[in-house]
Amino acid sequence: DTAVSQTPKYLVTQMGNDKSIKCEQNLGHDTMYWYKQDSKKFLKIMFSYNNKELIINETVPNRFSPKSPDKAHLNLHINSLELGDSAVYFCASSRGLDGYTFGSGTRLTVV
Amino acid sequence: GDSVTQMEGPVTLSEEAFLTINCTYTATGYPSLFWYVQYPGEGLQLLLKATKADDKGSNKGFEATYRKETTSFHLEKGSVQVSDSAVYFCALSPRPSFSSGSARQLTFGSGTQLTVLP
Repeated sequence: DTAVSQTPKYLVTQMGNDKSIKCEQNLGHDTMYWYKQDSKKFLKIMFSYNNKELIINETVPNRFSPKSPDKAHLNLHINSLELGDSAVYFCASSRGLDGYTFGSGTRLTVV
Repeated sequence: GDSVTQMEGPVTLSEEAFLTINCTYTATGYPSLFWYVQYPGEGLQLLLKATKADDKGSNKGFEATYRKETTSFHLEKGSVQVSDSAVYFCALSPRPSFSSGSARQLTFGSGTQLTVLP
């Protein structure tokens, strides 16, 4: 059973398109996150939701919008995709002082 | 703000060599400290953690000790294997606050690529 699952694993799309990445966790965690990993492997937090409420919203373009329909899901919608959005996007979840559990990532390529 | 500094890679070792990856941090209070590992094409996996000063985290032969006096959390392994080849990330998270609830931002170091040769 996959603990944190993301779909799709790979996403290739043209500039200007709108796309979504889905994330689901079956761990019963109350907090979920989106991280962006650039080509140099640097990881930066984008958003965090706790019990469906937005807690952390770092400085990202407003073309990025997270949506959490329930505690187990946190989706990422991206409008008007740009070349610079190409990266690997990781979903993660946590509870208490435990470490995060990460999904396997979505490699987004904008052409 | 909080920050994590890791030794820059890449690091290349022969099998059975001793590994040290340095990590120092800047944070207020008493953060929790973590090491994550990312194998090629995969997500990050928690390798070990320590939540208070002098704690030693260990897993799969890897160890790291939370040193508050030197604000460090260096990763060590006595004898590396080819299968240890991966990118290693040091990270910290602050103590939960009332306003953040259980949401804790993990701040990562820049990652260190380790390659172990047979």
